[in-house]
Amino acid sequence: SQELEQSPQSLIVQEGKNLTINCTSSKTLYGLYWYKQKYGEGLIFLMMLQKGGEEKSHEKITAKLDEKKQQSSLHITASQPSHAGIYLCGADGQAGTALIFGKGTTLSVSS
Amino acid sequence: DADVTQTPRNRITKTGKRIMLECSQTKGHDRMYWYRQDPGLGLRLIYYSFDVKDINKGEISDGYSVSRQAQAKFSLSLESAIPNQTALYFCATSEPRDFMSDTQYFGPGTRLTVL
Repeated sequence: SQELEQSPQSLIVQEGKNLTINCTSSKTLYGLYWYKQKYGEGLIFLMMLQKGGEEKSHEKITAKLDEKKQQSSLHITASQPSHAGIYLCGADGQAGTALIFGKGTTLSVSS
Repeated sequence: DADVTQTPRNRITKTGKRIMLECSQTKGHDRMYWYRQDPGLGLRLIYYSFDVKDINKGEISDGYSVSRQAQAKFSLSLESAIPNQTALYFCATSEPRDFMSDTQYFGPGTRLTVL
């Protein structure tokens, strides 16, 4: 079965610094999703990537899917306290099944 | 108003009690899901339903049951709650745009504590 591994597990950065979170799949990714969760709250959809080499940006967050479609990275530029939370990557499971998720990366931003 | 709502938002119950968590959506999506989230384990799929007549077990369905009463409603039941079912429970919906994409939209979660 497919597994998603996220790194790092947790991250503390100073406000204004850049950071990157990685998501590596054991199998080819056909759809990769990034979500953000504030502690104890629901998930907020950030973006979805499908094509090898694809890159999408939303405000200061950029996500990329590598050419081989087995790894995605999420990059935050000039981090702010509002970026703090848990970031999860999700991928389409086998055809006809639901998403599978990584275990999440907890981001803290110190001011 | 939120597109995906869950009730209750918080619940404390005792071992052996029957508990129902409810999910409603106004997005008009056919697909609905129940997940639980535990610290260090991430999100795990309990059950999912691709339409009103379709119910499927997920990764961790033991001890749980579901009911899809209508396109907009998907309930999760714990027939006899046990302490290791203490977790944050999420409902989600989706409507795939094509075969390889299926963005899920999540509710705010229900925090369940079983004493």
